[in-house]
Amino acid sequence: AQSVTQPDIHITVSEGASLELRCNYSYGATPYLFWYVQSPGQGLQLLLKYFSGDTLVQGIKGFEAEFKRSQSSFNLRKPSVHWSDAAEYFCAVDVQGAQKLVFGQGTRLTINP
Amino acid sequence: ETGVTQSPTHLIKTRGQQVTLRCSSQSGHNTVSWYQQALGQGPQFIFQYYREEENGRGNFPPRFSGLQFPNYSSELNVNALELDDSALYLCASSFDGGRADTQYFGPGTRLTVL
Repeated sequence: AQSVTQPDIHITVSEGASLELRCNYSYGATPYLFWYVQSPGQGLQLLLKYFSGDTLVQGIKGFEAEFKRSQSSFNLRKPSVHWSDAAEYFCAVDVQGAQKLVFGQGTRLTINP
Repeated sequence: ETGVTQSPTHLIKTRGQQVTLRCSSQSGHNTVSWYQQALGQGPQFIFQYYREEENGRGNFPPRFSGLQFPNYSSELNVNALELDDSALYLCASSFDGGRADTQYFGPGTRLTVL
């Protein structure tokens, strides 16, 4: 079965530091990949997506992600985090391009001032 | 352009009761998907409605059912509530279910089952 693994349940970084959130997926074909962010008590906001083409994808709020087929990974990065980036981040795979997302468990990001 | 809206925001029910959650899709979207997010977990796909027909279902029992209306709004119904049904229920709308596209999520309905 298709699965998404986010190895880090909780990450703490200092404001201004760089960030990388890991995501690995298990799926035979080329997946459609997404990163969403969720603030406490809120719904999910799309940060970026990969369907095809350039493997380095730019998103909103200064985030980017790189698709690496050989490693089955789609890690999220940001060069300098802001206190407002504190939230839960979810990686997701669209199975067969049918808009039926499989989500990872999420990574909770805490920002130290 | 209005986004995805859900009602109610919060709901408290007791075990064995039935509940209906509502979702209004974003303007121009004809597909609604429902997800269950238990505390501390990622969302899990319940089912999808495309042009008023069920278009795929996740690993949820039949007591989870849904409807989509001609204006593409949708309802999620859960019968015989169990304690484990306590969760945040998210709906997402998109265009043309069945092909890769972005889903836009609503704020969710927090259901508590006592």
